[in-house]
Amino acid sequence: DGGITQSPKYLFRKEGQNVTLSCEQNLNHDAMYWYRQDPGQGLRLIYYSQIVNDFQKGDIAEGYSVSREKKESFPLTVTSAQKNPTAFYLCASSGTYHTDTQYFGPGTRLTVL
Amino acid sequence: EDQVTQSPEALRLQEGESSSLNCSYTVSGLRGLFWYRQDPGKGPEFLFTLYSAGEEKEKERLKATLTKKESFLHITAPKPEDSATYLCAVGGNQGGSEKLVFGKGTKLTVNP
Repeated sequence: DGGITQSPKYLFRKEGQNVTLSCEQNLNHDAMYWYRQDPGQGLRLIYYSQIVNDFQKGDIAEGYSVSREKKESFPLTVTSAQKNPTAFYLCASSGTYHTDTQYFGPGTRLTVL
Repeated sequence: EDQVTQSPEALRLQEGESSSLNCSYTVSGLRGLFWYRQDPGKGPEFLFTLYSAGEEKEKERLKATLTKKESFLHITAPKPEDSATYLCAVGGNQGGSEKLVFGKGTKLTVNP
């Protein structure tokens, strides 16, 4: 079955620690995205990539970093510079453009201890 | 600035009681309007894409419609398993730059 996988499902971070969230897709999509979801707010775009070895900042990129070495993979690192990282993180993929239908993974819930 | 407003924030229905969720939007160069269903602790599940005013799509008890300013998600004779948060997103193209903007969602509860 084609789809998007994210791991881990739950992640706990200590102060000053960097953590990496995994996202893999087998839909053969060109574009991949990372969103952050907080209670009472719409999904906010962190980073996106439309092609391997290229990525762009979204609306809330500060304190995050990404890489896109393979078409199937788009890991997100939450750095110690992100002051309020506790949130639900969603990875998505689509054909090529933001406005192609985006399909989402199951999410990773990150909690700062 | 592109904006998406969903109403109501929360809706409680009895099983079988039909209703509609609203998604009002302002966007430059509409490229598509998307509806998703999200269960607690899970990723959004794609439901529909609408591209132009007058378009309608159906899936089981759900029917999505689109005008130039808003979209409705009609739920006919809902069941408890329809309880979820429904998200609306609008894709726009302004000056060659594409963007997808999400609303905050409507939390639907269907009581047996």
